[in-house]
Amino acid sequence: DSGVTQTPKHLITATGQRVTLRCSPRSGDLSVYWYQQSLDQGLQFLIQYYNGEERAKGNILERFSAQQFPDLHSELNLSSLELGDSALYFCASSVGTAGANVLTFGAGSRLTVL
Amino acid sequence: GENVEQHPSTLSVQEGDSAVIKCTYSDSASNYFPWYKQELGKGPQLIIDIRSNVGEKKDQRIAVTLNKTAKHFSLHITETQPEDSAVYFCAASFRANSKLTFGKGITLSVRP
Repeated sequence: DSGVTQTPKHLITATGQRVTLRCSPRSGDLSVYWYQQSLDQGLQFLIQYYNGEERAKGNILERFSAQQFPDLHSELNLSSLELGDSALYFCASSVGTAGANVLTFGAGSRLTVL
Repeated sequence: GENVEQHPSTLSVQEGDSAVIKCTYSDSASNYFPWYKQELGKGPQLIIDIRSNVGEKKDQRIAVTLNKTAKHFSLHITETQPEDSAVYFCAASFRANSKLTFGKGITLSVRP
């Protein structure tokens, strides 16, 4: 157990739907990162929050949004889902926000869009 | 932005042999280079990292070397074991930038 908790582990939904993925960071970590992992694209950085504020943005679609709450857990909202959104979504956390921080990953949420 | 490339996408070695995985990066300002290992059904886990002021770092059977001039860094695994079979990701970042850019990963298979 890495200390980063992601729910749900698996999710199957239909095109056009909306889902929410949840992440609880490791105790003491203030930064939360979201990554998308697909077979041909590897680990793609989506977005990062630090202590409730957005700190960095990657290749996140406009249909996707995220936030970090006062208790530091984070949610990734995916809307108007398309087949191509099927992927593993990882949450990671770190103590600080600099690029040289060690990331602790959760076990991921596997999203299947039918 | 930073671009990190790993080649090949798969590598198969005999148990006991050494494995070398190489990555190249594009941004000469990058100064932190971690390696993550992802086992089946799990998230990536840091196994070793190196900073730009160091040319080599070793931890038991694994080592990482960095060539800043050529902009590449490599993971070396000696005396490979079946439990080394996994996907390995290299990454690079510039300290002031929170973004860690990952390569696409390489699947290492260790044949018993």
